[in-house]
Amino acid sequence: AQSVTQLGSHVSVSEGALVLLRCNYSSSVPPYLFWYVQYPNQGLQLLLKYTSAATLVKGINGFEAEFKKSETSFHLTKPSAHMSDAAEYFCAVSDIDNNGNEKLTFGTGTRLTIIP
Amino acid sequence: NAGVTQTPKFQVLKTGQSMTLQCAQDMNHEYMSWYRQDPGMGLRLIHYSVGAGITDQGEVPNGYNVSRSTTEDFPLRLLSAAPSQTSVYFCASSYSGQPPERPLHFGNGTRLTVT
Repeated sequence: AQSVTQLGSHVSVSEGALVLLRCNYSSSVPPYLFWYVQYPNQGLQLLLKYTSAATLVKGINGFEAEFKKSETSFHLTKPSAHMSDAAEYFCAVSDIDNNGNEKLTFGTGTRLTIIP
Repeated sequence: NAGVTQTPKFQVLKTGQSMTLQCAQDMNHEYMSWYRQDPGMGLRLIHYSVGAGITDQGEVPNGYNVSRSTTEDFPLRLLSAAPSQTSVYFCASSYSGQPPERPLHFGNGTRLTVT
């Protein structure tokens, strides 16, 4: 089964500083990887996805992630943090369950706090 | 376009009570699913459906039932609530028949407390 590990349950950065949220995956086959964002009291929304077309993936709100097979990583970055980026971020990997159906397996999430 | 609509937003139950969490989508998505979100555990899949009349168990199905009589609706039933079912529940849907990179569309969640 595929899985993802998010390093750091809480990350704090100053406004204008680099945002780096870490995600490592374990997969026996080329994975499909996703980053979702959850704002307070809302459901998750897709930030970006990796589907093997390009290793550097650009998403919404200035976020991007780079797929590195050698490091089994898919870290999320943003050059300059904004107050509106405060949210919880989830890395996810596409997997096949015991019924042969696809599903998404989520990491445990990283809560991003922006310091004014 | 309403997307995925969940009701109620909040619910408090006593142990042993039953209830149904409602989920409806207006995007004609074939795939629908229920997740629960608990602190430090991320989202875990409870049940899912790949089309009307078809349901399957996810990672944590015990204590929950589902049915899919229409494309639009996918209710989640708790037959006898337990404190361990205190959680935030999310319904999510997506197109089916696409490669694995299809994104999920989430509702805003139902916060359930069982006392």
